[in-house]
Amino acid sequence: KAGVTQTPRYLIKTRGQQVTLSCSPISGHRSVSWYQQTPGQGLQFLFEYFSETQRNKGNFPGRFSGRQFSNSRSEMNVSTLELGDSALYLCASSEGPNRENIQYFGAGTRLSVL
Amino acid sequence: AQTVTQSQPEMSVQEAETVTLSCTYDTSESDYYLFWYKQPPSRQMILVIRQEAYKQQNATENRFSVNFQKAAKSFSLKISDSQLGDAAMYFCAYRGSQGNLIFGKGTKLSVKP
Repeated sequence: KAGVTQTPRYLIKTRGQQVTLSCSPISGHRSVSWYQQTPGQGLQFLFEYFSETQRNKGNFPGRFSGRQFSNSRSEMNVSTLELGDSALYLCASSEGPNRENIQYFGAGTRLSVL
Repeated sequence: AQTVTQSQPEMSVQEAETVTLSCTYDTSESDYYLFWYKQPPSRQMILVIRQEAYKQQNATENRFSVNFQKAAKSFSLKISDSQLGDAAMYFCAYRGSQGNLIFGKGTKLSVKP
């Protein structure tokens, strides 16, 4: 089985722009979670989707949004980019949203905001 | 709110030796899972080992084992016969009723040849 695929691997944007990141989960996985990783704050949970519905959301401003499609692929969008949004964005997929389901991670998208 | 603490920002071990990484957590829940993930320079987070809170037996995966002390809320990772490929950031993580993973700040492990 192919692993979790995130595209693109790298992005460079300027302040005020918006960006869309994509995540294709492992085949058969219906739950997708997004995390932001920065040197200062570490790994922080953004949101989780299951069967096209947002189940859970972390403590991030409304500029961060996401969605999940019927094939379980997910996208996250960040509008009006700020310098502080520079980070590694990780996507994880699992069979379901329950605590016993293992989350498998993609290689991430490195976003740089100039 | 649940928290995860890794008190060792960096650790070093000689190849073929054993090293233990520490993790403590805080929760009022009784049903949860604990994980150790490894993140090499390639950035991909890889699951090392998983422990269910209701299981008293410590999890083991080849050279990796945990010491799970539920009452003390402690979950340490022991790596035996360390290899150069074990060099990476190691993250301890908690997953409870909310469903999302809560991570510690990580421990950077260096392996000396």
